[in-house]
Amino acid sequence: KAGVTQTPRYLIKTRGQQVTLSCSPISGHRSVSWYQQTPGQGLQFLFEYFSETQRNKGNFPGRFSGRQFSNSRSEMNVSTLELGDSALYLCASSQGGVLSYNEQFFGPGTRLTVL
Amino acid sequence: GIQVEQSPPDLILQEGANSTLRCNFSDSVNNLQWFHQNPWGQLINLFYIPSGTKQNGRLSATTVATERYSLLYISSSQTTDSGVYFCAVDLLFSGGYNKLIFGAGTRLAVHP
Repeated sequence: KAGVTQTPRYLIKTRGQQVTLSCSPISGHRSVSWYQQTPGQGLQFLFEYFSETQRNKGNFPGRFSGRQFSNSRSEMNVSTLELGDSALYLCASSQGGVLSYNEQFFGPGTRLTVL
Repeated sequence: GIQVEQSPPDLILQEGANSTLRCNFSDSVNNLQWFHQNPWGQLINLFYIPSGTKQNGRLSATTVATERYSLLYISSSQTTDSGVYFCAVDLLFSGGYNKLIFGAGTRLAVHP
């Protein structure tokens, strides 16, 4: 099976712009989660989608949003970019069911730099 | 909220040495995973181990859920083991699923 894929791998944006990142989960996985990694805050949970519905949300401002499509692919959007949004954004997929085996598998990440 | 603490924060080893990394967590969990982050940022799955013991080659892990800790053992370390090791947990009663809480990591450097 192909692993989790993320595009683009690298992005450079300027303050005030918006950005959209994409994640394709492992075939058959219905849950997609997003995480932000920065040197200061470490790895932090952003949100999780399952069957096109947001089930979980972390403590991030409303500028961070996401969605999931019927084929389980997910996108996250960050509007009005700030310098502090520079980070590695990681996507993870899992089977996602309540009683199922829920090991999470991560993609290679998108490294976002905000100038 | 739940606390996930990893120790030691940094570890330097000579090739061939053994090591133990520890992860303590402050609440009941229904998922615990160990990851190795490579220099390019990719998180590599090592173990999915909410309880019990597992082994994979030179690596093994044990989670004692009732005492809220997990251990990752690396034997006969190699330079390719260098990187950051993360422990992450998913709360049993978080009100949601697939919300991993990560520890700060253990940075391992293995020298030849």
